Amino acid sequence: DVKVTQSSRYLVKRTGEKVFLECVQDMDHENMFWYRQDPGLGLRLIYFSYDVKMKEKGDIPEGYSVSREKKERFSLILESASTNQTSMYLCASSLVNRGPTEAFFGQGTRLTVV
Amino acid sequence: AQTVTQSQPEMSVQEAETVTLSCTYDTSESDYYLFWYKQPPSRQMILVIRQEAYKQQNATENRFSVNFQKAAKSFSLKISDSQLGDAAMYFCAYRSAWKGGADGLTFGKGTHLIIQP
Repeated sequence: DVKVTQSSRYLVKRTGEKVFLECVQDMDHENMFWYRQDPGLGLRLIYFSYDVKMKEKGDIPEGYSVSREKKERFSLILESASTNQTSMYLCASSLVNRGPTEAFFGQGTRLTVV
Repeated sequence: AQTVTQSQPEMSVQEAETVTLSCTYDTSESDYYLFWYKQPPSRQMILVIRQEAYKQQNATENRFSVNFQKAAKSFSLKISDSQLGDAAMYFCAYRSAWKGGADGLTFGKGTHLIIQP
């Protein structure tokens, strides 16, 4: 079974803190993604990566950065957390493929910034 | 840019009955894929069904089927014989056929499906 593991299910951080959300996948997938999920807004893409050390901005990258030093690990960084970054964060991975390959998701990290 | 619209924020259906969730999308591409994902209270996103745009035949997975109308850019999900375990958020998603999926999925805002016992 493909597993995408996010380091925390719940996280509470203070405004201004630097926050790291970690994601690890065990199926040698090239593609990895970070989404933000908010009620009534669905999932929105923050950043994605198709290879080690490669990263591209998604639809809402402001206030975030990412790191991919190893193929299996993709980290989301909030440089200075703000209350408007309180949200659910979902990591996903998929194989590079021209077909309708499935994206596999982690169980999400619910981040609260106080 | 592509957009995905789910016009029903919430739907309710009696157990054992049939329900249809709506999804429309906008794209200028001719080759793409469409997906329905389910997110139960556990938060785990689960793929329900997928459709390739160049296949005219509608995809079916057990009690789940789609009505794919490419010209109308419509991709609805039909759940037959609804079960309590079908209660979840359902997300429609679009993926371009280019770049091997590297640029991710575009999601709709979701439909919350309630199953009445």
